[in-house]
Amino acid sequence: GENVEQHPSTLSVQEGDSAVIKCTYSDSASNYFPWYKQELGKGPQLIIDIRSNVGEKKDQRIAVTLNKTAKHFSLHITETQPEDSAVYFCAASNQAGTALIFGKGTTLSVSS
Amino acid sequence: NAGVTQTPKFQVLKTGQSMTLQCAQDMNHNSMYWYRQDPGMGLRLIYYSASEGTTDKGEVPNGYNVSRLNKREFSLRLESAAPSQTSVYFCASSERQVLTPLHFGNGTRLTVT
Repeated sequence: GENVEQHPSTLSVQEGDSAVIKCTYSDSASNYFPWYKQELGKGPQLIIDIRSNVGEKKDQRIAVTLNKTAKHFSLHITETQPEDSAVYFCAASNQAGTALIFGKGTTLSVSS
Repeated sequence: NAGVTQTPKFQVLKTGQSMTLQCAQDMNHNSMYWYRQDPGMGLRLIYYSASEGTTDKGEVPNGYNVSRLNKREFSLRLESAAPSQTSVYFCASSERQVLTPLHFGNGTRLTVT
């Protein structure tokens, strides 16, 4: 079935370092790839998304890259800050374009 | 502007009891979704409603029913709760089906004993 693998499951960095989270997806028909940030006790919030006709997208300290041939996409956070500490989820659209399949999440800890 | 509102925030049920989780959005979105979140499992889709008047099963629909009451409201019902349904439930909405961003509520934490 459709599947999204996310790595690593936990990531600890020092403030100011960069953080990279990687995801692979199984369905070559997937064409929408959002990333969500979830803080404790809250619902996930969209931080950036990319569509299959674009290879890279950047928004301030956050960037996402997509390699459709290899079926993987990555989230890059530069100059990390303590408030970046949260759980991050990647997702990919399913073949029918009716739902998102989520990865299992990455817990990012940024220490000052 | 409240976004997506879920009630209740917390609930404890005994095995076999029933309950309905409520969700409402004020963004005039067409599509609504119910996900469950379990430790180490990410978010799994239970049911979704692409538009008012339609509902479809997601990845893990067994033991649940849904009602799209109107464009704003989408409820999730557990007819006979089981311990395996202990989870955090999230409602989400989007302007159109999945190629537009999902907006999530803050969740309902359900414990079934």
